[in-house]
Amino acid sequence: DTGVSQDPRHKITKRGQNVTFRCDPISEHNRLYWYRQTLGQGPEFLTYFQNEAQLEKSRLLSDRFSAERPKGSFSTLEIQRTEQGDSAMYLCASSLVKNEQYFGPGTRLTVT
Amino acid sequence: ILNVEQSPQSLHVQEGDSTNFTCSFPSSNFYALHWYRWETAKSPEALFVMTLNGDEKKKGRISATLNTKEGYSYLYIKGSQPEDSATYLCAFKDSSYKLIFGSGTRLLVRP
Repeated sequence: DTGVSQDPRHKITKRGQNVTFRCDPISEHNRLYWYRQTLGQGPEFLTYFQNEAQLEKSRLLSDRFSAERPKGSFSTLEIQRTEQGDSAMYLCASSLVKNEQYFGPGTRLTVT
Repeated sequence: ILNVEQSPQSLHVQEGDSTNFTCSFPSSNFYALHWYRWETAKSPEALFVMTLNGDEKKKGRISATLNTKEGYSYLYIKGSQPEDSATYLCAFKDSSYKLIFGSGTRLLVRP
C-alpha cells in the first residue's frame, strides 16, 4: 500500500454516460498527477496539479475530460460522453515537487 | 515528442535464470530515470530513482545502471523467482518533473 487511494477500482459504463473518478493522495504531497494506461502501453501523462492549481494538460486530454483539485487535497477526473476509446486504466500519483511519485492502484474503466 | 523505449516487450524465463531489460530515453532535458515494478491489481511500486551518469543502484537481487550521455538504463534481476513476475516500467522525468513511461517489459518466471 503506497498511501494513495483511488475510487472506484473498476467502472463499467455505457457509451455516452459521464463518469467521475476520485484520487486521495498522500496528505503532505503538494503534487498530484493523472496518467492513463491502455493495453500494451505504458502509462501516459494526462495532467498534474500543484496544490489546487492545474499546471499542465496533455493534448491527450480532450474537451470531454476535466480534472479538479479544489482544496489541494483529493482530486477528481471526470469524463463526459464516454467513448469506447476511453476504456483504460486511470492512474493517480502524488509527490512532493521534485521527489518520487507514489501511485494508486488505478481505476479500470470499461466503456461498452 | 519524447520517446522512451523498452526492450524486450516480454520475457519468459525459468526460476533461477538471470535476466536484464533495457530502457532508452532522450539524452537532452534529463532530470531523472525511474524504474517501477507493476504487479496485476496492485499499484506500481518504485524500484529505483537514478539521476547521475554512471549511477548503479541495487535492491536485493535487482540492480540498475544509468548512462545519461548515450540515453540508456539497464535493469538486472539475478536468480529470478516466480514472485518477480510483473511488468517493469522505466520512466524519464523531465524538468517539469512529470514522468514519460516506456511501454514496459512483462516478465514471467516459471517455477
